[in-house]
Amino acid sequence: EAGVAQSPRYKIIEKRQSVAFWCNPISGHATLYWYQQILGQGPKLLIQFQNNGVVDDSQLPKDRFSAERLKGVDSTLKIQPAKLEDSAVYLCASSPTRLAGVNEQFFGPGTRLTVL
Amino acid sequence: AQSVTQLGSHVSVSEGALVLLRCNYSSSVPPYLFWYVQYPNQGLQLLLKYTSAATLVKGINGFEAEFKKSETSFHLTKPSAHMSDAAEYFCAVSGTGNQFYFGTGTSLTVIP
Repeated sequence: EAGVAQSPRYKIIEKRQSVAFWCNPISGHATLYWYQQILGQGPKLLIQFQNNGVVDDSQLPKDRFSAERLKGVDSTLKIQPAKLEDSAVYLCASSPTRLAGVNEQFFGPGTRLTVL
Repeated sequence: AQSVTQLGSHVSVSEGALVLLRCNYSSSVPPYLFWYVQYPNQGLQLLLKYTSAATLVKGINGFEAEFKKSETSFHLTKPSAHMSDAAEYFCAVSGTGNQFYFGTGTSLTVIP
C-alpha cells in the first residue's frame, strides 16, 4: 500500500512570496490533515478535511493560509504572502473512517519550507 | 480540551539500557493516546496506541507503554536500547473528532 505522498520535499522562498504544497493521501482515506511543525516543537494541526469538507480550521491563519481538497482526494496548502515565521515542516496525514473510535493517522514525509 | 506534556526534551541512554520517555496527558473525555517516532527528514511513524482496551500496550520495535489513569500518564519504555532507536518521539492525545494534540517531543540519543 502506497503511503502519503507530499511534494515538494524542500522549498526556499523569500518573504512576501507565495508557495503551495501538495498532498496525496492513502487511497480510500476520507480524512486528511495538514500540520505545521516548527523546529523543536510538535506538529500543530492547521486544518482537517473529511472528504472535501472542512472539519476544523480553527488554527489556520486564514489571512495568509488557504487549503482545498476539491475532489475529496488530494489537497493543496497555500501560503500567500509568506512570513519568516512560516519557516517549518508542513506535514500531511490521512486516516481511514471507521465505525467508532479514533483512528491512527498516517503521515507523509513533509515539506520543509525556509522563508528568507 | 486535550493536551500532553512530555517531560525531558532530550534523553540519553547507553546501548542496551532501559529507555523511559515520559508523557502526561490532560483530557476532558476518555482519551485515546499515541506514541509516534520521527527519524531525521521523515514523517511520523506510529509506534503504538491506547484505545481503552488493555492498559499495557505493545508496539513495534520492542516498545511498550502503560496507561495509568490515576497518574494521567502514558510513559513509553523499551527494555534494551538499540542504536537504531535514536530519533524524536512524540506523544499525542485525541478525544472526539479524531483531532490529535501532540507534545513537544523528546529527542532520544543512544550512546554506544
